[in-house]
Amino acid sequence: GAGVSQSPSNKVTEKGKDVELRCDPISGHTALYWYRQSLGQGLEFLIYFQGNSAPDKSGLPSDRFSAERTGGSVSTLTIQRTQQEDSAVYLCASSPTPGWGNSPLHFGNGTRLTVT
Amino acid sequence: SQQGEEDPQALSIQEGENATMNCSYKTSINNLQWYRQNSGRGLVHLILIRSNEREKHSGRLRVTLDTSKKSSSLLITASRAADTASYFCATDASDSSASKIIFGSGTRLSIRP
Repeated sequence: GAGVSQSPSNKVTEKGKDVELRCDPISGHTALYWYRQSLGQGLEFLIYFQGNSAPDKSGLPSDRFSAERTGGSVSTLTIQRTQQEDSAVYLCASSPTPGWGNSPLHFGNGTRLTVT
Repeated sequence: SQQGEEDPQALSIQEGENATMNCSYKTSINNLQWYRQNSGRGLVHLILIRSNEREKHSGRLRVTLDTSKKSSSLLITASRAADTASYFCATDASDSSASKIIFGSGTRLSIRP
C-alpha cells in the first residue's frame, strides 16, 4: 500500500520567504510527527499530532514555525520568514496507534529545504 | 534536548565483522526502537523492544535493553556492505499521557569491503 508521502521533495527559497511543507500520512494512522534533521545530525522533534487531541508543539524552535493537521489526515508545516538556519531535511512520520511508542513510525522521504 | 544518545558516533568495520552500537537515554520508557537511515532520507524501523524485555532478535540483529542502566545495544552480526547506514535509537517517555518519540543522535556505520 501507499506509504507516507511528502511534498515537495526539494525546496529552495530565498531568505525571508514563507514555505509550506506537506505530509500525507498512511490512511488510518492517527499519530503524525514532524522532525527536522540538519546535515549529519540526529532528528530534532518538532510537533506531534494524535487524533483530535491538542498537538504537542513543544519542539517548534520559534513562533515562525506552525503546523496544522486537517481532518486528522494531511498535515502542513509552515515556516514564515525563513532563515538560513532553517535549511534542513524535514521528515514526517505516521503511526497507527497513539503515543507510547507501541507501534513503529513510518517515515516519508522528507523535504530538503534550502534557504539562500 | 535529546532523550537518547548513541555511541559511537561513527563506526567503520570490515565486511563480515560484527557491529555493536549503544544507546543511552535519560527518563523511564515504555519501549525503545531502533531505526536505520540511508542517504539522509526517511528512516526504516528495524526492531522494537519493550521495557519488560531484555533481549530481542530479528535476523542478523540482536537488541538488548538494560532499564537499570537506561541503555540499549544493537548488534549486527556478519555485516554486509549494504548495512552501511546511520542507525538511531528512539524512545518514548512512560510518564507522558501523549507521548512523543524522541530520537538519539545516531551512529554512522561504514562497512569496508
